[in-house]
Amino acid sequence: QKEVEQDPGPLSVPEGAIVSLNCTYSNSAFQYFMWYRQYSRKGPELLMYTYSSGNKEDGRFTAQVDKSSKYISLFIRDSQPSDSATYLCAMSETGYNFNKFYFGSGTKLNVKP
Amino acid sequence: DAGVIQSPRHEVTEMGQEVTLRCKPISGHDYLFWYRQTMMRGLELLIYFNNNVPIDDSGMPEDRFSAKMPNASFSTLKIQPSEPRDSAVYFCASTSGGGAVPGTQYFGPGTRLLVL
Repeated sequence: QKEVEQDPGPLSVPEGAIVSLNCTYSNSAFQYFMWYRQYSRKGPELLMYTYSSGNKEDGRFTAQVDKSSKYISLFIRDSQPSDSATYLCAMSETGYNFNKFYFGSGTKLNVKP
Repeated sequence: DAGVIQSPRHEVTEMGQEVTLRCKPISGHDYLFWYRQTMMRGLELLIYFNNNVPIDDSGMPEDRFSAKMPNASFSTLKIQPSEPRDSAVYFCASTSGGGAVPGTQYFGPGTRLLVL
């Protein structure tokens, strides 16, 4: 079993829809949670970062962490065709190894005009 | 800033050949990571360096894979001999450490490797 599980999709939604992307994990030591966005044939880019539990909002994007359930989510409001990409969650522990990221396999999102 | 630079961008080789992938991290970054991405396994960390020293190579699949970082501005990932199952996109990433939280990892454009 992988430490981070993510539904690969693909997820297809109409423009303007609210999108929910999710990851589950098994390692209770994870404290840092990131979402990366990867456009086709490009490297991943950091989208959002949260520490421990709670919510974080940045424009149309909201990241949620529920450590009790070992579940994280990324919500995209008013989705746009330009949001079409693969979204990868990533996590790391505290301590000396906090730069060692464990990535989900990515969810491919397609927003139709 | 030019970002993380990887070469070659594409590589097609035959089984048994040696493959060398190259990476130039962002200037001033002291962490460098090598990842492999496939449809089946997603994005996997192979090895990472801090100040040119390998810190964790537990993701290196087997002895056919080796990585070096001779200086702060250059790293190589070598596969010898290559096998068809090594076909993947290999990413290099770098970040600046030293803080109390993980640094943003900046990824290069990747090297698409096809082993026939």
